[in-house]
Amino acid sequence: DTEVTQTPKHLVMGMTNKKSLKCEQHMGHRAMYWYKQKAKKPPELMFVYSYEKLSINESVPSRFSPECPNSSLLNLHLHALQPEDSALYLCASSQGQVGNTEAFFGQGTRLTVV
Amino acid sequence: GESVGLHLPTLSVQEGDNSIINCAYSNSASDYFIWYKQESGKGPQFIIDIRSNMDKRQGQRVTVLLNKTVKHLSLQIAATQPGDSAVYFCAEKQNTGGFKTIFGAGTRLFVKA
Repeated sequence: DTEVTQTPKHLVMGMTNKKSLKCEQHMGHRAMYWYKQKAKKPPELMFVYSYEKLSINESVPSRFSPECPNSSLLNLHLHALQPEDSALYLCASSQGQVGNTEAFFGQGTRLTVV
Repeated sequence: GESVGLHLPTLSVQEGDNSIINCAYSNSASDYFIWYKQESGKGPQFIIDIRSNMDKRQGQRVTVLLNKTVKHLSLQIAATQPGDSAVYFCAEKQNTGGFKTIFGAGTRLFVKA
């Protein structure tokens, strides 16, 4: 199993809503990532978890709250988002944060904030 | 800050021709580079990687070249096929405030039949 699975694939939410994005991998990877990708732009790193601990927060606004319940799961909790937060949110995993191994990406969640 | 960038945003090639996608990086401390392919509506897909102690690595129909002297990376695709049409990103693993993979701007490859 070399897949990173993200749910939901599409999400429309209002600015007062609370929602969560979910990501799952069963490759035994110990590093997991959230990226944000706007149209025609490269993915931008948001958070890195290493061994279930938050390792990097790229100065992401607090309306985005990551959570890593166990080594296979990664969530991104959303609250009070703005329309400019609409984007493709990508989850990725790799064997470790340190070391020269590639990251495997999920298909993303297309988020629209209305 | 330091970043990974691309010379050409769009590349159009004839089916069967070879494609070359270029990338410039500025962080001389980076020691691992990856090329990703992203098709419309999908997440990035790993193509090939290279470590800084190498200058060339070959895969199936793809070759990555690394020139550390001029901080340049390229992806060569042999006998380009319509299925190769996508956006290609180079990415760099750097250790600035923690190990992180940073993506370049991307090049869109169009393959004409």
